[in-house]
Amino acid sequence: DGGITQSPKYLFRKEGQNVTLSCEQNLNHDAMYWYRQDPGQGLRLIYYSQIVNDFQKGDIAEGYSVSREKKESFPLTVTSAQKNPTAFYLCASSWDQGTQHFGDGTRLSIL
Amino acid sequence: QKEVEQDPGPLSVPEGAIVSLNCTYSNSAFQYFMWYRQYSRKGPELLMYTYSSGNKEDGRFTAQVDKSSKYISLFIRDSQPSDSATYLCAMRSNAGGTSYGKLTFGQGTILTVHP
Repeated sequence: DGGITQSPKYLFRKEGQNVTLSCEQNLNHDAMYWYRQDPGQGLRLIYYSQIVNDFQKGDIAEGYSVSREKKESFPLTVTSAQKNPTAFYLCASSWDQGTQHFGDGTRLSIL
Repeated sequence: QKEVEQDPGPLSVPEGAIVSLNCTYSNSAFQYFMWYRQYSRKGPELLMYTYSSGNKEDGRFTAQVDKSSKYISLFIRDSQPSDSATYLCAMRSNAGGTSYGKLTFGQGTILTVHP
């Protein structure tokens, strides 16, 4: 089945620690996206990538980093510089600027 | 002021009711309009996708776009308990560059359909 797989489903971060969220897609989509969802605020764009080895900052990129070494993979690192990392993180992919398909998210909490 | 405003609800209706969900927006460059449904602890799934003004129907769902009023709606007929979810509107412009593919979402409306 084609789709987007995010792992882990739940993640806990200690103070001062970096953590990496995984996103893999087998839809052969060129574009991939990372969003953050907080209660009552909808989804906000963190980073996006149009093609391999290229990515752009979204609206709330501070404290996050990404890489795009393979078409299928777009991992997100939440660094210790992100002071309020507790949120639901969603990865999406699309053909060019077309319809975005989402994974089932990773919920990050602080210990 | 947010670019996209959506009443967060919550909205509670009896089974069989017609549900109306709405979003307003301020950016006249938006041309593509979407409605996503999100179940608890899951990712959003696309329900409806429309371009510019007009209506689109798919089964029990109808999406309406009124660009002159900067207002979009989703109607659910004969609502079912399985429709209970958060409904998110999203929209984007046709611009490239730094606006590439960027979706702007509403806050989401929590809907409960009770038997």
